[in-house]
Amino acid sequence: GAVVSQHPSRVICKSGTSVKIECRSLDFQATTMFWYRQFPKQSLMLMATSNEGSKATYEQGVEKDKFLINHASLTLSTLTVTSAHPEDSSFYICSASVRGRGNQPQHFGDGTRLSIL
Amino acid sequence: DAKTTQPNSMESNEEEPVHLPCNHSTISGTDYIHWYRQLPSQGPEYVIHGLTSNVNNRMASLAIAEDRKSSTLILHRATLRDAAVYYCIRAGWGAQKLVFGQGTRLTINP
Repeated sequence: GAVVSQHPSRVICKSGTSVKIECRSLDFQATTMFWYRQFPKQSLMLMATSNEGSKATYEQGVEKDKFLINHASLTLSTLTVTSAHPEDSSFYICSASVRGRGNQPQHFGDGTRLSIL
Repeated sequence: DAKTTQPNSMESNEEEPVHLPCNHSTISGTDYIHWYRQLPSQGPEYVIHGLTSNVNNRMASLAIAEDRKSSTLILHRATLRDAAVYYCIRAGWGAQKLVFGQGTRLTINP
């Protein structure tokens, strides 16, 4: 089955640090990747949709200058949390799918737990 | 707005069938019904999806009502590893974004 790898799985860093999270589709080409955030005991919230080679589309209330998304290839998207603060501590999850072939399921990474001290 | 309604929690016993309901009374004619599940500290896992007809795969079955206003995810023989939060989601054609609701937390008793 389709595999999405997310790295790192856990990050602990000081306030003010920028953190980059990678999302790779290992055995398929992902024309679209999605980034979600999940706070404890809550559901997943979509942050942005990223199509290969174009700018990401951010959901309302998500700061595009704080959460930088790059989707330069069909197998890699990155999320950079710039100048992270404790309130950015969360579980970040990416997913990937293939556009244009009917209604395709999304394949999720195992998430990155970000803790800002 | 997730546009689906699920019970907050359900409980079942190991090796018994589990029927997880989902209401999507305002579903459009082109929306698919997707089910994902999330184990603790992991990303969601795709379970099954369908449009009108009932669907079966190695993980589960999806029974869709004739009027498409509701559906039921069926785990034929629950194991302890099926304990997770199950999300029922409406999604349009193509690689559409998913809107997650609160899902149903399924507990499996040994």
